Amino acid sequence: NAGVTQTPKFQVLKTGQSMTLQCAQDMNHEYMSWYRQDPGMGLRLIHYSVGAGITDQGEVPNGYNVSRSTTEDFPLRLLSAAPSQTSVYFCASSYSRGAGEKLFFGSGTQLSVL
Amino acid sequence: GIQVEQSPPDLILQEGANSTLRCNFSDSVNNLQWFHQNPWGQLINLFYIPSGTKQNGRLSATTVATERYSLLYISSSQTTDSGVYFCAVEMVKAAGNKLTFGGGTRVLVKP
Repeated sequence: NAGVTQTPKFQVLKTGQSMTLQCAQDMNHEYMSWYRQDPGMGLRLIHYSVGAGITDQGEVPNGYNVSRSTTEDFPLRLLSAAPSQTSVYFCASSYSRGAGEKLFFGSGTQLSVL
Repeated sequence: GIQVEQSPPDLILQEGANSTLRCNFSDSVNNLQWFHQNPWGQLINLFYIPSGTKQNGRLSATTVATERYSLLYISSSQTTDSGVYFCAVEMVKAAGNKLTFGGGTRVLVKP
């Protein structure tokens, strides 16, 4: 059981480039989300999804797009990368739409924007 | 939005020592979880504990929802306990796990 899988693990971009961070889970979880972690800080919610075809914004959504075409996958798109988006990105999932399910995290993607 | 404060920010322990980490939050919560981020960056869910007390091996947690705080106890600490401990909460009973994280407590256990 792979759990939550994120790719790539590391990425360097130039300002203005676009890219997609991939996230997949094999636990049949309905809820998926993306967080960013900046140095010395806790995690902040970017976007989340409560099921296929349903997404919504979190605390810091600007500069990021998401879609959820399948239960398993929840990619995060950076349309025009900026240095302020240099961070570690974590994808997370939990079983049901209801609050209170344990949240499981992927291993993270370290992104640098030059 | 809800504020989450963790204390202390840093903690250095000798192996075998016990410790208590605290999480204060500014409003009523329906969802509170503790996480451990190991030195390699992996985040592991330790507890889902919006109220009451739970134990898992050497770790235990207590949340007093009416007084808006939660405590994480580490007993007989080991070097593998090193890392950052995060408390995360959700204020309302909403769909999903839209957690707000505290700033974390960085723990170093020395052999």
